[in-house]
Amino acid sequence: DGGITQSPKYLFRKEGQNVTLSCEQNLNHDAMYWYRQDPGQGLRLIYYSQIVNDFQKGDIAEGYSVSREKKESFPLTVTSAQKNPTAFYLCASSMALDGRARPYNEQFFGPGTRLTVL
Amino acid sequence: AQRVTQPEKLLSVFKGAPVELKCNYSYSGSPELFWYVQYSRQRLQLLLRHISRESIKGFTADLNKGETSFHLKKPFAQEEDSAMYYCALSALNRDDKIIFGKGTRLHILP
Repeated sequence: DGGITQSPKYLFRKEGQNVTLSCEQNLNHDAMYWYRQDPGQGLRLIYYSQIVNDFQKGDIAEGYSVSREKKESFPLTVTSAQKNPTAFYLCASSMALDGRARPYNEQFFGPGTRLTVL
Repeated sequence: AQRVTQPEKLLSVFKGAPVELKCNYSYSGSPELFWYVQYSRQRLQLLLRHISRESIKGFTADLNKGETSFHLKKPFAQEEDSAMYYCALSALNRDDKIIFGKGTRLHILP
């Protein structure tokens, strides 16, 4: 079954703890993304990676970290430095190029992880 | 800088009435525009992209470069259209990130 998966679906964390959200895809996509979705704020980009072992900060990277050791995986760590971590987190992936070698920008989204800090 | 503006947070429309979800963008180059939709308890997914020039679920969107708009339209609303809609922009010919608007919740009234 092809697709992009995120785990866990719900996550609770105590203040001061780091937590890692999982994102895996078997679509053979090169690019992967992490967004945060808050009511009235839309989707805000945290980090993205266009290729293995490389990633770039998005608009709200402070308090977050990522790694891209494998093409299939792009875990996000929410650190204790993130001041308002309670949110819904979405992972996405996309192909780098389409059949005509143009950037193919459609993103495929995972089901999301709802993180609550207690 | 790239920016996407969706001026309406909530739009309520009666079933059978026309729908127009507004989207304006700011970008100096050649943009690629998208509409994404998130139905209740479902994943965010692509609805349509301006390059494809297609109609999906009765929705169409025309890129108006003069007005820098990409409004989403449907002539007759259906109850199953109730969802959160996001307009998004990407720089054409660049392998780059996508900028999303803040979204508009469409509520179809019976």
